[in-house]
Amino acid sequence: DIQMTQSPSTLSAFVGDRVTITCRASQNINGYLAWYQQKSGKAPKLLMYKASTLHYGVPSRFSGGGSGTEFTLTISSLQPDDFATYYCQQYNNYSPFTFGGGTKVEF
Amino acid sequence: QVQLQESGPGLVKPSQTLSLTCSVSGESISRGNYHWNWIRLPAGKGLEWLGRIYTTGSTNYNPSLQSRITISVDTSRNQFSLALSSVTSADTAVYYCATVYLGDGDFFGSWGQGTLVTVSS
Repeated sequence: DIQMTQSPSTLSAFVGDRVTITCRASQNINGYLAWYQQKSGKAPKLLMYKASTLHYGVPSRFSGGGSGTEFTLTISSLQPDDFATYYCQQYNNYSPFTFGGGTKVEF
Repeated sequence: QVQLQESGPGLVKPSQTLSLTCSVSGESISRGNYHWNWIRLPAGKGLEWLGRIYTTGSTNYNPSLQSRITISVDTSRNQFSLALSSVTSADTAVYYCATVYLGDGDFFGSWGQGTLVTVSS
């Protein structure tokens, strides 16, 4: 399995802060990385795919980057609606698809 | 926009089989534009992909569950289903069904709201 490691696991921030979450893969995933946002009690929502392509309707304050084994999700100016848990997922290898452990962004 | 809705028992006894169904609207499974997935979220842990099925009935499963999992599709009802046998407390989780649009890449574009399944006697 390709292991996905996110850091930090919890992030304390304020509205207006610039926030960066890191996701590391145990091997090269050729940029096949997606990011999801999940709010408590809700289904995850796709934010981004191919490491840096924003899903439609996702605000431009979200951006993604990286290559190889290291990737980042950045929120340029944290908004109240952004307090949630974020997951990365690799889809370079389907056996199995794997997710990071999650990063909870809290006040 | 594809919409998904999970249904099934919220409580399953240990050693029994967990069975869930995902009802699809907004898209006909038989069109073959998507593959159909199950994912779960155990309390305090991260997301785990369980497996997927294509319209043809072809499946891929998470190797960690290979011996216990079956995913099936019913195109006449526009549904797909999950069966997980010999469950233990470790299978307690919120279970989601989710779609991947073929040709875009294997990321999950649409999700059901999720259903909590508790394994307990």
